[in-house]
Amino acid sequence: EVQLVESGGGLVQPGRSMKLSCAASGFTFNNYDMAWVCQAPKKGLEWVATISYDGSSTYYRDSVKGRFTISRDNAKSTLYLQMDSLRSEDTATYYCARLEDYGYKRYFDYWGQGVMVTVSS
Amino acid sequence: NTVMTQSPTSMFISVGDRVTMNCKASQNVGTNVDWYQQKTGQSPKLLIYGASNRYTGVPDRFTGSGSGTDFTLTISNMQAEDLAVYYCLQYNYNPLTFGSGTKLEIK
Repeated sequence: EVQLVESGGGLVQPGRSMKLSCAASGFTFNNYDMAWVCQAPKKGLEWVATISYDGSSTYYRDSVKGRFTISRDNAKSTLYLQMDSLRSEDTATYYCARLEDYGYKRYFDYWGQGVMVTVSS
Repeated sequence: NTVMTQSPTSMFISVGDRVTMNCKASQNVGTNVDWYQQKTGQSPKLLIYGASNRYTGVPDRFTGSGSGTDFTLTISNMQAEDLAVYYCLQYNYNPLTFGSGTKLEIK
């Protein structure tokens, strides 16, 4: 059974850093691109970042470029999101998601339960 | 960035209704659109990928259609368990962009 379990969230002051982890199991982690998607309280979904299966390519939404870093450790089947210079507008639930490629179609087929990050003084 | 405009924002529906919701892309995204369902307090779940392909295990009352800039998700014979917010997502261009969602509520 595929499982994605996020951890590392909580309350953090503006300007500080936080690192999220996503432990994957039930599939061959290094075969899949992975992503982070966030959702501010009572708001919609926003894509944050994607990393290729081998970590060689990364992509970010403009609002987090230069502040957030997506990475992975394939030996540990774990995805990370290092968040620096946090702002109040980064407050959200962060989901990790597996990105499946199927015949030139792409989709997020598995999602974690989400981890809440609150940026406040 | 590609803006995905969903309509309506919310719908009041009854069990058994046929429900149609729309997603309009600000530029041509081909058929590179997925639909996700998110129930209250839960993670999103994939319903439709590639505009019209039903994901494994998704009931056949869910149908996706469209290409280019206009996409539709239809739920025939609405069930109580379908109450949720539905999001479209385009992955043709970076950044990936979601629509703002359509919320289904009981009439």
